[in-house]
This record gives sequence, C-alpha cells and structure tokens, in this order.
Amino acid sequence: QKEVEQDPGPLSVPEGAIVSLNCTYSNSAFQYFMWYRQYSRKGPELLMYTYSSGNKEDGRFTAQVDKSSKYISLFIRDSQPSDSATYLCAILETSGSRLTFGEGTQLTVNP
Amino acid sequence: GAGVSQSPSNKVTEKGKDVELRCDPISGHTALYWYRQSLGQGLEFLIYFQGNSAPDKSGLPSDRFSAERTGGSVSTLTIQRTQQEDSAVYLCASSLSEKLFFGSGTQLSVL
Repeated sequence: QKEVEQDPGPLSVPEGAIVSLNCTYSNSAFQYFMWYRQYSRKGPELLMYTYSSGNKEDGRFTAQVDKSSKYISLFIRDSQPSDSATYLCAILETSGSRLTFGEGTQLTVNP
Repeated sequence: GAGVSQSPSNKVTEKGKDVELRCDPISGHTALYWYRQSLGQGLEFLIYFQGNSAPDKSGLPSDRFSAERTGGSVSTLTIQRTQQEDSAVYLCASSLSEKLFFGSGTQLSVL
C-alpha cells in the first residue's frame, strides 16, 4: 500500500464547476500537508500549505485536512481553463526530510 | 536567477552511457532535493542534502545513481551505465523550510 493514495483521474469539468481533489494517507506521523500544481513540461509549484486539521482558504482554492480520517482535499471554486493541470498532494512527517507525493490528478477545465 | 535552474532541459542518451544532470538551487536555500517523475507515476524521492549534514540517499534506486552538492550550492546527479528504465523527468527542488521550490526538470530519454 502506498503511503499516499491519490486518484490519478483524468478529471474533466466544465468552466465554472466546483472541483474536488482528494488524497488519503496511512502514516499518522505526517503533519504538513501541501498541494502542488504542475503544468505540462514544468516543475510542480506550491499552491496551498497547512499543518492543522480544518480548512484553509486562498482565493478560489480551499485546502481541507481531516487528520482523524487521514484525508485531505483541495476544492477549486469557479474553475477556469487556466486551472487545467496536474494537482499533486504532498505530505511531510514532523521530523522527516522528504515530502511524500501522491500520484497526481490530471484536471481539465473545458471552456 | 530567482528560481531553481536545471540543465540540460532534455537529454537523449544511449543505453550504457553515463549522464550528469545539474541543479542550481535558489540562492540561500540550505536544502536540496532530487526527485524522479516517470510517466503515470508520482514524484519518487531520490536524495536530500541539508547544509553540511550527510545526505539522505535512501531513495536512490541503485548504485548506478549518485549525487553530490559542491559548496552547499550546485548539485549534480550522475547516472552511470544508463538503462531504459531510467527514462524519466528528473526534478530538483530547494527549500529553506517545508516549502519546496522546483525546477522545470530534465527530461532523460535512454534509447
């Protein structure tokens, strides 16, 4: 079993839709939770970062963490074609030296 | 430059040849990471450097892979006697904290 599980998709939605992306993890030592966005032929870029359970909002993006269920989500409101990319969840142990990434979900927002 | 720089952006080599991939991290970042991303796969951790500490090499897939970081800045990832399964995008990242900043990667193709 992978330490971080993420549905690879692909996911295709119409412009303006609400998108929900999810990951589950197995290691209770994971404490820092991140979402990266990766455009084609580019490196991943940090989108959202949190270390506590609950919601964190940044514009159209909301990151949600439920440590009791070991479940993290990223919501995108009013999705735009420019949001089309691969979204990777990434999790770090408190004392760890590496990020463990999910496989990534490929999202396409159709105009 | 302001970001992480990797070179070359593309490398085509023949099976059995050695290759060197270069990473210039963001100035002042003490941590440097190498990850590998294969088609349909998430990011696979390879190696981590932090300041003057011994590197965490636990992700290197075989003894054909090695990396060094000179002067706490530039890093080189070397793959000896390349195999076709080494074909992937090799990503470098640097950080000062839990937030990693990635380069655009080197696309390695082994024929």
